[in-house]
Amino acid sequence: DTAVSQTPKYLVTQMGNDKSIKCEQNLGHDTMYWYKQDSKKFLKIMFSYNNKELIINETVPNRFSPKSPDKAHLNLHINSLELGDSAVYFCASSQDPGPTPYEQYFGPGTRLTVT
Amino acid sequence: QKEVEQDPGPLSVPEGAIVSLNCTYSNSAFQYFMWYRQYSRKGPELLMYTYSSGNKEDGRFTAQVDKSSKYISLFIRDSQPSDSATYLCAMRGYNAGNMLTFGGGTRLMVKP
Repeated sequence: DTAVSQTPKYLVTQMGNDKSIKCEQNLGHDTMYWYKQDSKKFLKIMFSYNNKELIINETVPNRFSPKSPDKAHLNLHINSLELGDSAVYFCASSQDPGPTPYEQYFGPGTRLTVT
Repeated sequence: QKEVEQDPGPLSVPEGAIVSLNCTYSNSAFQYFMWYRQYSRKGPELLMYTYSSGNKEDGRFTAQVDKSSKYISLFIRDSQPSDSATYLCAMRGYNAGNMLTFGGGTRLMVKP
């Protein structure tokens, strides 16, 4: 009964490849997120998405694209992978935030290594 | 300079010690302050959440916010080996949508 799940847990691939990471939440939340955590543990939001709106962190290269088949799933597709994309990617979900934020629930992470 | 700064540690303490973890920030618009705990190879989980200045206590944990100094703290009393983790502070402004700004985390090791 995992709340937020991600697959795969580990992903090793070569530069230039295209890969996808899948995320599913069973919490009934309207909003999902993708975060990138670098080797220094900095956690930076990449996208937030609900049924109505996609908010993109402006520093994210357009090689990264979120795809949501339904409100319980938010996948991350990455084109033309680069060495600098190596990181741990976390999916998260929450109720739709208003003036006050709600708790974000994180998945276990996908460790991406680009060689 | 990053918007939210945290000493990465590691901070090593003996079991039973009082631990103080801190973050400084530069954006005066931040109103909501959170502490997340992240065990190795796991996702972060919310530990404490405070609004504006003041203190909040939950069991062995106390969160403190000093907006005038742009400084927040998390105190852990009677620390346990199970508290060994990375602690990340996170912040958000009022009505600022979904964007949390995280610090880089402080790695804490509590030795038995």
